[in-house]
Amino acid sequence: QITLKESGPTLVKNTQTLTLTCTFSGFSLTTSGEGVGWIRQPPGRALEWLALIYWNDDKRYSPSLKTRFTITKDTSKKQVVLAMTNMDPVDTATYYCAHTNWGSAAFDIWGQGTMVTVSS
Amino acid sequence: SYEVTQPPSVSVSPGQTATITCSGDKLEDKNVGWYQLKPGQSPVLVLYQDNKRPSGIPERFSGSNSGNTATLTISGTQAMDEADYYCQAWGFNNVVFGGGTKLTVL
Repeated sequence: QITLKESGPTLVKNTQTLTLTCTFSGFSLTTSGEGVGWIRQPPGRALEWLALIYWNDDKRYSPSLKTRFTITKDTSKKQVVLAMTNMDPVDTATYYCAHTNWGSAAFDIWGQGTMVTVSS
Repeated sequence: SYEVTQPPSVSVSPGQTATITCSGDKLEDKNVGWYQLKPGQSPVLVLYQDNKRPSGIPERFSGSNSGNTATLTISGTQAMDEADYYCQAWGFNNVVFGGGTKLTVL
């Protein structure tokens, strides 16, 4: 059974860097094809894809946000970390991590999400 | 940048068929997924690769993708299907979500 759980600060200040951790179980990022993505949803707004990392360290970023984001993995800890620089109040959102598999072209299992508020 | 568009809302009577569209330039060249999102819950994948159902998703959920439009169809809609639905277009270097459609079952 695949599970994922997001963790990190619930409140950050304007211009600070936010670091979120996704801790997962039920699969390994050393297994061919496996991947983890990050998606967010601001209050009352739509889902927005942020970044994605695969077992082979292939990394993909949203073109509009890529200059601010860095995604990394720690296979031994079974964690994926997303770092976001220069946070702004518009980045206030629920942040989700989710499992994917190369070729499935979808996020099949999602974490519970973590709400992050950026204060001005 | 690539965008996909959904209608903000769709209404359907119980037992009837609900249709939610997702439009984007040459969308048929991309893999489309659909997610169900209910208040206070995490998104649930209901269709992937245009028309495949994950394990546990009822057969009443089906999909298609042709030209510039992908469609999510819910046959025999039930009250439990009331939710926000998001389409997702998956390209080689980009994943894009639509703006979401609120499905009301009344």
